[in-house]
Amino acid sequence: QKEVEQDPGPLSVPEGAIVSLNCTYSNSAFQYFMWYRQYSRKGPELLMYTYSSGNKEDGRFTAQVDKSSKYISLFIRDSQPSDSATYLCAMSFQGGSEKLVFGKGMKLTVNP
Amino acid sequence: DTGVSQDPRHKITKRGQNVTFRCDPISEHNRLYWYRQTLGQGPEFLTYFQNEAQLEKSRLLSDRFSAERPKGSFSTLEIQRTEQGDSAMYLCASSSDRGLYEQYFGPGTRLTVT
Repeated sequence: QKEVEQDPGPLSVPEGAIVSLNCTYSNSAFQYFMWYRQYSRKGPELLMYTYSSGNKEDGRFTAQVDKSSKYISLFIRDSQPSDSATYLCAMSFQGGSEKLVFGKGMKLTVNP
Repeated sequence: DTGVSQDPRHKITKRGQNVTFRCDPISEHNRLYWYRQTLGQGPEFLTYFQNEAQLEKSRLLSDRFSAERPKGSFSTLEIQRTEQGDSAMYLCASSSDRGLYEQYFGPGTRLTVT
């Protein structure tokens, strides 16, 4: 079992839809949780990060962490065609190198 | 542009050749990471530098791989005697002590071994 599981999709939605992306993890020692967006043949771009449990909102994006269930989510409201990309969840332990452990990534297409 | 830069962006090489990639982190960032990403997978950690010191290496980093960060600025990743299994996107990321968990990635170097 991989430390971080993410359904790779693909997911296709109409413009304006609410998108829900999720990851589960097995190691309860993870403390920091991130979401990255990656366009084709580009490097990942940091969207949001959250420490421990709770919610964080930034514009149309909301990140949620439920440490008791080892489950994290990213919601995108009023999705736009420009949101079409691969979304990667990533996690990190506190201390040490803080290296990131990534999920596989979910490919999202928002259709106009 | 003050983001992370990587060079070259693409490299095609024959099996058995050596290749070297360069990463220039964001200027005030003292932490530098190398990751490898294969098609359909998320990036996987290879190695980490704090300033010029290489403090962690993944078991993915075989003895054919070596990384350096002289003077704590740019970093190089060398692969000796390349194999077809080395074909991947090699990503560099940097962060600062003030934003440890905010790693910013470069555009990557796509390596194809024929």
